[in-house]
Amino acid sequence: AAGVIQSPRHLIKEKRETATLKCYPIPRHDTVYWYQQGPGQDPQFLISFYEKMQSDKGSIPDRFSAQQFSDYHSELNMSSLELGDSALYFCASSSRTGTYEQYFGPGTRLTVT
Amino acid sequence: AQKVTQAQTEISVVEKEDVTLDCVYETRDTTYYLFWYKQPPSGELVFLIRRNSFDEQNEISGRYSWNFQKSTSSFNFTITASQVVDSAVYFCALSEARSKTSYDKVIFGPGTSLSVIP
Repeated sequence: AAGVIQSPRHLIKEKRETATLKCYPIPRHDTVYWYQQGPGQDPQFLISFYEKMQSDKGSIPDRFSAQQFSDYHSELNMSSLELGDSALYFCASSSRTGTYEQYFGPGTRLTVT
Repeated sequence: AQKVTQAQTEISVVEKEDVTLDCVYETRDTTYYLFWYKQPPSGELVFLIRRNSFDEQNEISGRYSWNFQKSTSSFNFTITASQVVDSAVYFCALSEARSKTSYDKVIFGPGTSLSVIP
């Protein structure tokens, strides 16, 4: 069965650079969630989208922005990267009209040097 | 506000021992979902179980079992006859129910790092 796809899987950036993470939800899923997991931490909710509209917002820095496109894929844009942005970023998708699960992608590991 | 507490930061057991991971949650929602996820060293989040708040039946799946007690707001996870491959970080999590068949963003606990020693 198709799973959530995240790209790239690994990304190395320098401080003050910009990064874009991409998430491709499971087909027919209309909702996307982004989570950030710092080293030794639990995943923290950043932002979610339903039908291309932002549906909820967590502790997402102002330097970060995200959107969901017409094909339901989502991108998380991070500017002016800081060392503290080094983390594992998970995307998850679900369907409001379907049943249950929020399926997590494999994550993108971002390292800021 | 929703909150998940996992008091055990790290646990070490010898292979074949049983181990219980504790989870206590707080929520004002009357309907919610509880989860356990496993995160091996490779980093992916492996879904283990989902329970909804109106189903307090305990569940067993192979060597895994879960004890949900609404009266104490606990959702504990037991691994029987632990194996080295069980070594991972385990997260208990909570989500508000959006409907009877879907839920909202997931709130994770701090995780318990389990090491199973051969």
